[in-house]
Amino acid sequence: GNSVTQMEGPVTLSEEAFLTINCTYTATGYPSLFWYVQYPGEGLQLLLKATKADDKGSNKGFEATYRKETTSFHLEKGSVQVSDSAVYFCALKTGNQFYFGTGTSLTVIP
Amino acid sequence: ETGVTQTPRHLVMGMTNKKSLKCEQHLGHNAMYWYKQSAKKPLELMFVYSLEERVENNSVPSRFSPECPNSSHLFLHLHTLQPEDSALYLCASSQGGSGINYEQYFGPGTRLTVT
Repeated sequence: GNSVTQMEGPVTLSEEAFLTINCTYTATGYPSLFWYVQYPGEGLQLLLKATKADDKGSNKGFEATYRKETTSFHLEKGSVQVSDSAVYFCALKTGNQFYFGTGTSLTVIP
Repeated sequence: ETGVTQTPRHLVMGMTNKKSLKCEQHLGHNAMYWYKQSAKKPLELMFVYSLEERVENNSVPSRFSPECPNSSHLFLHLHTLQPEDSALYLCASSQGGSGINYEQYFGPGTRLTVT
């Protein structure tokens, strides 16, 4: 079946620290991969996406590379800010269905 | 502002009440979705309407009933809910069609509390 596994949170980092949030997936066929972010009191917003192997999605300093050989799509940012505090969701799309991970809560402290 | 609106934003209802959640998208999409978000669980897809075809998660209880009168509007009708149904209900839309890799746009959600 199709599923997404992402690292357990919560994650707490100091401002300007390096961020990695791991995400691995299981899928039939060739899925597209996404990272969504959810700020307090809001719905999910698309952060970045990659539609085929070796694609790199990037936005707002965040990056993730579609690794077919390791079935992974890890989220990275070189220097986090307090405003990056949110919950991050990894997701895959195959056909017309989306599958989401459980979310990883990130808190960045000044 | 993502182009997807949901009302109400907060709802408290008793187990014997009937209420409806509303979602509207202004993006010209042709697929709409209902998700349930509970703490420490993956987003649970409840229903999909895509190109006038409805897909549902068979594990969703019959006390949840969706309605999609057109491609811009989606409702979730609620009746005789249980306390464990308390959650954030998220609506999303996207371009539909199998194999097309469009992302979803989410509304802000309705925080439902069942007492």
